[in-house]
Amino acid sequence: DVKVTQSSRYLVKRTGEKVFLECVQDMDHENMFWYRQDPGLGLRLIYFSYDVKMKEKGDIPEGYSVSREKKERFSLILESASTNQTSMYLCASSPGGAGVINYEQYFGPGTRLTVT
Amino acid sequence: KNQVEQSPQSLIILEGKNCTLQCNYTVSPFSNLRWYKQDTGRGPVSLTIMTFSENTKSNGRYTATLDADTKQSSLHITASQLSDSASYICVVKIRNNDMRFGAGTRLTVKP
Repeated sequence: DVKVTQSSRYLVKRTGEKVFLECVQDMDHENMFWYRQDPGLGLRLIYFSYDVKMKEKGDIPEGYSVSREKKERFSLILESASTNQTSMYLCASSPGGAGVINYEQYFGPGTRLTVT
Repeated sequence: KNQVEQSPQSLIILEGKNCTLQCNYTVSPFSNLRWYKQDTGRGPVSLTIMTFSENTKSNGRYTATLDADTKQSSLHITASQLSDSASYICVVKIRNNDMRFGAGTRLTVKP
């Protein structure tokens, strides 16, 4: 059973703080993803990584950075949190390699971040 | 404009009734389309995947259809249960790691 865990379910931070969101998967997946989910907008891809130390920008990378030092862990960093980054953040993982086009993404439970 | 449009935005039905959720997309090239179910406070979980050549696929009481010519998909839920209350998200994959998500339909099943 694939498990994707996120370090916090709820987080409240102040404007300007540095915020770390951690994601860990236990299925040796190559690909990992960070999304934010806002009402009426659907999931939007922030960054993804297809290998250790590799990262690719998604649709909305501004204000975020990521780190993937180990295969199982993918961190999302808000260098200086702002109120418009208040959102639900979802991490996902999926296998890579041949056949990746039809592989399912497995999602974590999400972190609801509030920036005040 | 979202390239994957879902309707309705929200839906309330009585337990035991059927319902159909719609997904229209404009993205291309098309690789596959997934329906996800997202319970409140949880991440999305895949229900079905459909590729270009598939018209219908069932998963228990969930049946998804795909018309790749008109770029439309639907998710039909039969004999709804309270546990079906969730958001249902349509996702179209274009390339290996390039996906477009719909905003979801929020379904509430009432006793």
